[in-house]
Amino acid sequence: ELKVEQNPLFLSMQEGKNYTIYCNYSTTSDRLYWYRQDPGKSLESLFVLLSNGAVKQEGRLMASLDTKARLSTLHITAAVHDLSATYFCAVLREGAQKLVFGQGTRLTINP
Amino acid sequence: KAGVTQTPRYLIKTRGQQVTLSCSPISGHRSVSWYQQTPGQGLQFLFEYFSETQRNKGNFPGRFSGRQFSNSRSEMNVSTLELGDSALYLCASSLSGGAGYGYTFGSGTRLTVV
Repeated sequence: ELKVEQNPLFLSMQEGKNYTIYCNYSTTSDRLYWYRQDPGKSLESLFVLLSNGAVKQEGRLMASLDTKARLSTLHITAAVHDLSATYFCAVLREGAQKLVFGQGTRLTINP
Repeated sequence: KAGVTQTPRYLIKTRGQQVTLSCSPISGHRSVSWYQQTPGQGLQFLFEYFSETQRNKGNFPGRFSGRQFSNSRSEMNVSTLELGDSALYLCASSLSGGAGYGYTFGSGTRLTVV
């Protein structure tokens, strides 16, 4: 059974600092997704990573995928308050057309 | 380009009642998936429809059912509601589901069972 684990689950950091969220998964998959969720809101798509070594960047966020290590990272550079949210990674279960989500990382960025 | 539309946004129901939720995907998208989000269990897959056929189903009791119409709109039904069914229900629209295509989520329906 595919399991997806994120760490940390809670992260409080100061503006201007850098940090990384880790997403480990248990079985082979080449499709990994990152989403952002604000309180009471839906999931906003951030990145779709489709192959080993894929790296994507948008503003202060950068995501990468290592399929051999079954690991994806979401790196935050010079954090700003607006990035406060819960971040989810999700892995596509091959052949099943379903996303298996991690527990989410609640990120709080303090001024 | 219109996004994924879910209706209603909020619902309050009583235990034992049934409820129907609706999801209209992005125009041209043929795959619709449903997810349940609760504080305790996180985001869990309910089922996925493609061209009016259910292709996959999650580990939920038979009280949870769905269907998809020829215009790709999908409905989800929950019968004999229980308190534990209180959750945010999200539908996701995809061109064909998986394999390199993204999933766009709707705003969700927040169901409260009292």
